[in-house]
Amino acid sequence: KAGVTQTPRYLIKTRGQQVTLSCSPISGHRSVSWYQQTPGQGLQFLFEYFSETQRNKGNFPGRFSGRQFSNSRSEMNVSTLELGDSALYLCASRDDRGGETQYFGPGTRLLVL
Amino acid sequence: GEDVEQSLFLSVREGDSSVINCTYTDSSSTYLYWYKQEPGAGLQLLTYIFSNMDMKQDQRLTVLLNKKDKHLSLRIADTQTGDSAIYFCAESGPGGSYIPTFGRGTSLIVHP
Repeated sequence: KAGVTQTPRYLIKTRGQQVTLSCSPISGHRSVSWYQQTPGQGLQFLFEYFSETQRNKGNFPGRFSGRQFSNSRSEMNVSTLELGDSALYLCASRDDRGGETQYFGPGTRLLVL
Repeated sequence: GEDVEQSLFLSVREGDSSVINCTYTDSSSTYLYWYKQEPGAGLQLLTYIFSNMDMKQDQRLTVLLNKKDKHLSLRIADTQTGDSAIYFCAESGPGGSYIPTFGRGTSLIVHP
């Protein structure tokens, strides 16, 4: 099976812009979670989607949003970008049918100037 | 709330064993994980252990769990330069709806 894929891999934006990141989970996995990784804060959970519904949410402002499509692919959107949003954004998928283990994609590195 | 703590750095000589330690606070943890992250890459699942186990061995990797002390360790035997990476400990359980809580990561540096 192919692993979790994320596009784009690298992105440069300026403050105030918005950005959309995409994640394709492992085939058959219905749960997709998003994380933000920064040197200062480490890995922080953003949200989890399952069957097109947000099931869990971390402690991030409303500028961070996501959605999931019927094929389990997920997107996350960050509006009104701030310098502090520069980070590696990781997506992880999980089988959720007795398999609790998450498998991560390579991440999208976002730089906000 | 849940918290997972790890030491930040570990330096070992090639061929020696490495032991990376982790403590967690959530007593309802069901799964405990070790992930590896190489520079510029995502997280690679190395191994995991259920909370009702004490030990799990997988080739050069040995995981030890002391549930009473909420202490998890990862031992890498015959450490190689390719093992240089950041290692993350994580725990999950029903209290967090199985969303893992991660430690800050331990940077393992393997020198010749």
